[in-house]
Amino acid sequence: DAKTTQPTSMDCAEGRAANLPCNHSTISGNEYVYWYRQIHSQGPQYIIHGLKNNETNEMASLIITEDRKSSTLILPHATLRDTAVYYCIATYNDYKLSFGAGTTVTVRA
Amino acid sequence: GAGVSQSPSNKVTEKGKDVELRCDPISGHTALYWYRQSLGQGLEFLIYFQGNSAPDKSGLPSDRFSAERTGGSVSTLTIQRTQQEDSAVYLCASSLELVMSNQPQHFGDGTRLSIL
Repeated sequence: DAKTTQPTSMDCAEGRAANLPCNHSTISGNEYVYWYRQIHSQGPQYIIHGLKNNETNEMASLIITEDRKSSTLILPHATLRDTAVYYCIATYNDYKLSFGAGTTVTVRA
Repeated sequence: GAGVSQSPSNKVTEKGKDVELRCDPISGHTALYWYRQSLGQGLEFLIYFQGNSAPDKSGLPSDRFSAERTGGSVSTLTIQRTQQEDSAVYLCASSLELVMSNQPQHFGDGTRLSIL
């Protein structure tokens, strides 16, 4: 799996968009970018994934740069319940999930 | 329910006892995974099932750990003669198929196991 780099922490105002960056400069052509989050005392929660094209679902949007070396997860209207650790991973065919340190996102009222 | 269900949510037991943890995957998901997560640590892969078969048991820490899956659905993880170092959150995940590249794993909330 390609190494990913994320900021350690970020704050976001409730109701505003939260933009979470992830760098994966060594990503290979067949590796997908996945985002998960883990809220305290809960299991990891799948958010979204993509290969080349931007993706959107009911939780978030994923913007992948044209060269695929970085991506941004967008939570369009952050709520207090979005406070969590967010993990970006780049992987192909590896069923053994492994998270790095992730980004601790704190949404403030 | 729609998600992965694990039981019990919490388990406290004495050192040396056996424990059994249960996982109900999302209906129709053929692949099932067990992980454990120690406090403040990352995910540690234990075992996965494709249907009722376990092609990769490489993550099981010792022969005190075993798992089975029946009917392509429910799975149980058994730890015999528990030790204090077994204390952790045991997470179960399932996916529609094994291939990770386009099949996300969906997790339960885990069983928090504490060995006294």
